[in-house]
Amino acid sequence: AQSVAQPEDQVNVAEGNPLTVKCTYSVSGNPYLFWYVQYPNRGLQFLLKYITGDNLVKGSYGFEAEFNKSQTSFHLKKPSALVSDSALYFCAVRGDSGSARQLTFGSGTQLTVLP
Amino acid sequence: KAGVTQTPRYLIKTRGQQVTLSCSPISGHRSVSWYQQTPGQGLQFLFEYFSETQRNKGNFPGRFSGRQFSNSRSEMNVSTLELGDSALYLCASSLREQSEWGGSYTFGSGTRLTVV
Repeated sequence: AQSVAQPEDQVNVAEGNPLTVKCTYSVSGNPYLFWYVQYPNRGLQFLLKYITGDNLVKGSYGFEAEFNKSQTSFHLKKPSALVSDSALYFCAVRGDSGSARQLTFGSGTQLTVLP
Repeated sequence: KAGVTQTPRYLIKTRGQQVTLSCSPISGHRSVSWYQQTPGQGLQFLFEYFSETQRNKGNFPGRFSGRQFSNSRSEMNVSTLELGDSALYLCASSLREQSEWGGSYTFGSGTRLTVV
């Protein structure tokens, strides 16, 4: 069965500094990888996805993520953090064959951007 | 176009009662997936419905059930509520079922269920 690990429950960063939210995964076959963001009392909003192609994926609100196959990682990054980026971030993975084709989420990372 | 609509937004129930939550997907989307979100467990998959059929089920007891109607609207039901059922219940819609869909999902804002 596939799994997603977000090793940090909480990430704090100063406004204007670069941010990284880490994600590693385990899945059979080729991975489909996603990042979602959740603001308080709201559902999840799609940020970006990787299916194939360029390892650096650009998404909404200036976020990007880098797919690293050898390290099975898909870290979320942003060059300059904003206070409004403070939210809960979820990484998700899906495989491309058999029972792995179900979407599985990580446990989430709370990002706090300090003014 | 309208997003995913979940009703009600908030609900308070007593232990032992049952509850029904509703999810209306984006027009044209035929798959609805349900998730339970709790601080300790993160986002746990409950089940997925596509074309009125349950396609997949997570590891939850039989007290959790669901159904989907011909217009793709879905309901989930929890019977004999327990304190541990307190959570945010989210539904997500997509054009196709999860096993055939590699794209993104659109989530509703959720129903916050509190069991007292």
